Amino acid sequence: QKEVEQNSGPLSVPEGAIASLNCTYSDRGSQSFFWYRQYSGKSPELIMFIYSNGDKEDGRFTAQLNKASQYVSLLIRDSQPSDSATYLCAVLLISVGDGTASKLTFGTGTRLQVTL
Amino acid sequence: DAGITQSPRHKVTETGTPVTLRCHQTENHRYMYWYRQDPGHGLRLIHYSYGVKDTDKGEVSDGYSVSRSKTEDFLLTLESATSSQTSVYFCASSRTGKDQPQHFGDGTRLSIL
Repeated sequence: QKEVEQNSGPLSVPEGAIASLNCTYSDRGSQSFFWYRQYSGKSPELIMFIYSNGDKEDGRFTAQLNKASQYVSLLIRDSQPSDSATYLCAVLLISVGDGTASKLTFGTGTRLQVTL
Repeated sequence: DAGITQSPRHKVTETGTPVTLRCHQTENHRYMYWYRQDPGHGLRLIHYSYGVKDTDKGEVSDGYSVSRSKTEDFLLTLESATSSQTSVYFCASSRTGKDQPQHFGDGTRLSIL
C-alpha cells in the first residue's frame, strides 16, 4: 500500500462545476496535509494546507480533512479552464532533524481537466 | 513566492560524468530539500538539510550527495551519472516549524545519455 494515494485521473469537469480531488494516506500519525498544483512543465505551487479535522476554505478552494477515515480532499468551486493541472497531495509523516522540519510524502497526483 | 532559483535549468550529459545542480534561496529558510520527479512515481525526496552542514538522506539517496556550506545554497551532486538519474529535479525550502509548507524552485531537467 502506498503511503499517499491519489487517483491519477484525468478528472474531467465542465467549466463552472465543482471539482473534487481525493487523497488517502496510510499513517495515522500524519499531522499536516498540503495541496499543491502543478502545471505541465512547471514546479509545484502550494494551494492550501490543513492540520485539523474539518473544512478550511480559501477563495474557491476548500480543503477537507477526516483523520478517522485517513482522507483529505480538495474542492474547487466554479472550476475554470485555468484550473486544469495536476494536483498533488502531500502528507507530513515524519518530523526530522530536531523536530522542527517536515519530511513530506507526495502522492502521484490527480490530473484535472476543466472543459469549456 | 519564496525566492528559490535552480541552476542550470536544463542539462544534457553523458553517463559516467559528474553533475552538480545548484539551489539558491534568498528567504533565509533553514530547511532545504532536493526531490526528483518521474512519471508514475511523483516527487521523491533525495536529500534534505536542516541547517548549514547538516544534511540527511531521503528515500532515493543512492548515487547522490549534497552539501550546504551557506544557508542560501544547497548543492546536489551526481558523482557518476547514470541513465536512471534522468529526471526533473526540484529544490524546495521551508521555514522553521514542522507545519511550515515547502516552496519549490522552477526545476532542472537533467538528461543523461
